[in-house]
Amino acid sequence: GAGVSQSPSNKVTEKGKDVELRCDPISGHTALYWYRQSLGQGLEFLIYFQGNSAPDKSGLPSDRFSAERTGGSVSTLTIQRTQQEDSAVYLCASSSGPDTDTQYFGPGTRLTVL
Amino acid sequence: AQTVTQSQPEMSVQEAETVTLSCTYDTSESDYYLFWYKQPPSRQMILVIRQEAYKQQNATENRFSVNFQKAAKSFSLKISDSQLGDAAMYFCALTNTGNQFYFGTGTSLTVIP
Repeated sequence: GAGVSQSPSNKVTEKGKDVELRCDPISGHTALYWYRQSLGQGLEFLIYFQGNSAPDKSGLPSDRFSAERTGGSVSTLTIQRTQQEDSAVYLCASSSGPDTDTQYFGPGTRLTVL
Repeated sequence: AQTVTQSQPEMSVQEAETVTLSCTYDTSESDYYLFWYKQPPSRQMILVIRQEAYKQQNATENRFSVNFQKAAKSFSLKISDSQLGDAAMYFCALTNTGNQFYFGTGTSLTVIP
């Protein structure tokens, strides 16, 4: 079946503009994660959705970052008033349950803020 | 707090040889899961192998195996008969709740023909 998809693949924006990044998880997966990967770094946890529960937003770096998940499926990560330090690859992953199941990753969105 | 440490930023191996990537971690939980993920230049993170902490037997997936030392909090990945397609960034990861996964900073593996 289809894996996790993300769009756009690449996004170049100007400092101060807002951007939206989209994630389509694997059908039926109830858990969805967003990560940020800066150049040469590991993955930084941003936010976690599980079913209809309140999301775990503890990893969001500032109030410029927000995410929502509509209908328990597609998720959008929004970055307002982008800064150059926001430049990174944003990865989305989904898993089939609320336990410690394996995450399946999308190909990521490379965000460049000029 | 949970932490994952990969002390080898870069490693290289001759094709067909064996290489071991190191990972140490820290957690106060007794029940947790450990993972190795591979990230090729395409950026797609791919699960390589998974280990439940309560299982004493080391996980194995074809040419990939782990050496899980729970007391030492060590979780190394051994790649046997290395192939050119194994060249990638390798990340070690830990979770105990499934809510948050903690990743190391990665090891870049080069396979020399």
